[in-house]
Amino acid sequence: DVKVTQSSRYLVKRTGEKVFLECVQDMDHENMFWYRQDPGLGLRLIYFSYDVKMKEKGDIPEGYSVSREKKERFSLILESASTNQTSMYLCASSPSGPISTMQYFGPGTRLTVT
Amino acid sequence: AQSVTQLGSHVSVSEGALVLLRCNYSSSVPPYLFWYVQYPNQGLQLLLKYTSAATLVKGINGFEAEFKKSETSFHLTKPSAHMRDAAEYFCAVSDRFSGGYNKLIFGAGTRLAVHP
Repeated sequence: DVKVTQSSRYLVKRTGEKVFLECVQDMDHENMFWYRQDPGLGLRLIYFSYDVKMKEKGDIPEGYSVSREKKERFSLILESASTNQTSMYLCASSPSGPISTMQYFGPGTRLTVT
Repeated sequence: AQSVTQLGSHVSVSEGALVLLRCNYSSSVPPYLFWYVQYPNQGLQLLLKYTSAATLVKGINGFEAEFKKSETSFHLTKPSAHMRDAAEYFCAVSDRFSGGYNKLIFGAGTRLAVHP
């Protein structure tokens, strides 16, 4: 059974803190993604990685960075958390291949920045 | 650029009634289309996908969707709603990054409520 896990389900941080969100997949997938989900906006892509140490900016990368040192792990970093980064964060992975390939999602991390 | 529009942020039906969730897309090339479901406090789960084979696609839990190119639509239906179908539903279109890598563009989502 495919599995994408995220390090925390709920997280509360203070403004200005450095925040790490971790995602691990056990399917040997090449591609990994970080989205944020906000009511009325659906999912928006923050960053994407198609290989170890490789990354691409998504639609809303400002205020975020990522790290992929190992194939199975993709980290999202908030260098200095702000209240407008309060959101649900979803990680996903997919194998490389045709454009139709589906993505597998983790359970999400609900981050609150106070 | 490709985009997805889901008509109706909230849909409410009675148990046993028809479920119809609307999705329209814009794409300059033949699209690949997906419906995902998100149950409370969970991640997204694939319901079904269209990849240019049959235009009527059957998914899990009794859901199906029909691709209509002339209407640029990919509406999701289920003949008879069940209480367990209460969730948020997302339509997505596959887009290609420069370099050939795929990404998904999501609609804003439709929250389905099912009443006894």
